[in-house]
Amino acid sequence: DQQVKQNSPSLSVQEGRISILNCDYTNSMFDYFLWYKKYPAEGPTFLISISSIKDKNEDGRFTVFLNKSAKHLSLHIVPSQPGDSAVYFCAARRYTGNQFYFGTGTSLTVIP
Amino acid sequence: NAGVTQTPKFRVLKTGQSMTLLCAQDMNHEYMYWYRQDPGMGLRLIHYSVGEGTTAKGEVPDGYNVSRLKKQNFLLGLESAAPSQTSVYFCASSHLGQGTKNTEAFFGQGTRLTVV
Repeated sequence: DQQVKQNSPSLSVQEGRISILNCDYTNSMFDYFLWYKKYPAEGPTFLISISSIKDKNEDGRFTVFLNKSAKHLSLHIVPSQPGDSAVYFCAARRYTGNQFYFGTGTSLTVIP
Repeated sequence: NAGVTQTPKFRVLKTGQSMTLLCAQDMNHEYMYWYRQDPGMGLRLIHYSVGEGTTAKGEVPDGYNVSRLKKQNFLLGLESAAPSQTSVYFCASSHLGQGTKNTEAFFGQGTRLTVV
């Protein structure tokens, strides 16, 4: 049973606009949430994370928001750039065993 | 700094053949993982290791075995390959991060395996 869910397989956004990628989770034992970016034929690379005790973390153009009561997090990219076009995976860490669980990914296309 | 290195990058197997995928990390990470990526399924954890000499099952362990004889290496074995094991395999490693640091896992480039 999928513990981390990304319900939007794809998203298209105009360059310069905001991209919002969403993620839901079911396990209350997760203590960290992460976003990874993946280009074709490459491994996922870490983008940004947030602790379960925070509700927002910002790093440059990337901001992650966590709504713990709704078990929902989102990644905002502002402004979006063509180089941001990739597959984005949401992930959650369970402290016991330091295990990472991943969503199914959202393919973002930023249109110039 | 190589990070996480996977060998081989591509492989084609016949049904019933066996093979071993090698993962090596040079970051002195305690934890190592094997994932498989399939269309529409995301990344699913096969097996993981919390330290040298230890292994544990993940979400989809059936048909795979692993070994961690050295801290820097994590091997994934397929004893009798099946077409359902056609996938892209990723190895990852991490520390047990505390606070706001070192909570992420680092991934290799992947191994594309086709079983015919």
